[in-house]
Amino acid sequence: DTAVSQTPKYLVTQMGNDKSIKCEQNLGHDTMYWYKQDSKKFLKIMFSYNNKELIINETVPNRFSPKSPDKAHLNLHINSLELGDSAVYFCASSQVNRDYEQYFGPGTRLTVT
Amino acid sequence: AQTVTQSQPEMSVQEAETVTLSCTYDTSESNYYLFWYKQPPSRQMILVIRQEAYKQQNATENRFSVNFQKAAKSFSLKISDSQLGDTAMYFCAFRAGANSKLTFGKGITLSVRP
Repeated sequence: DTAVSQTPKYLVTQMGNDKSIKCEQNLGHDTMYWYKQDSKKFLKIMFSYNNKELIINETVPNRFSPKSPDKAHLNLHINSLELGDSAVYFCASSQVNRDYEQYFGPGTRLTVT
Repeated sequence: AQTVTQSQPEMSVQEAETVTLSCTYDTSESNYYLFWYKQPPSRQMILVIRQEAYKQQNATENRFSVNFQKAAKSFSLKISDSQLGDTAMYFCAFRAGANSKLTFGKGITLSVRP
């Protein structure tokens, strides 16, 4: 009964390719997030959606495009991958006005060669 | 903008002993939440403990407790009776409101020695 799941868990691809990472939560939460953890382990928010509406969009290259088909899913599509995109990407979810905890997925390790 | 500072990059503790991890933050918000997350080698982010800023009482969860000093903007984590399974990176995090992002510190690597 995985609460927040991500696919794939590992992704190795070449520069210039386009790839997607999928995220699904079965907690009934209304808000979902994408975080990036770089090689120094620093975690930073990228995007947040509430009920399919974009509410947080940090300074992220426009090669990154989040898509939320419904409030249980938030996918991350990356165009023209670069070496610097190599990182671990975490999806998370939470429910507004309830417990304030964010539940994280297992992470997707993206390696761009 | 909020900032979270973890100035110690790594610490080591003997099994069964107590260790304290430091965290300071800066914000102009009056209502906020503070968290400690654990990230073991499996890389899963696990919530350890949470503190609401409006609560004066320090949060505790079994062997984990915090020392929340609101005026000093300090939020340290104390781990009692350290266990080998506590070996992980620990991140201090701040959240201003119900729907806002988590701002993380740089993390600290904790090693528990047998």
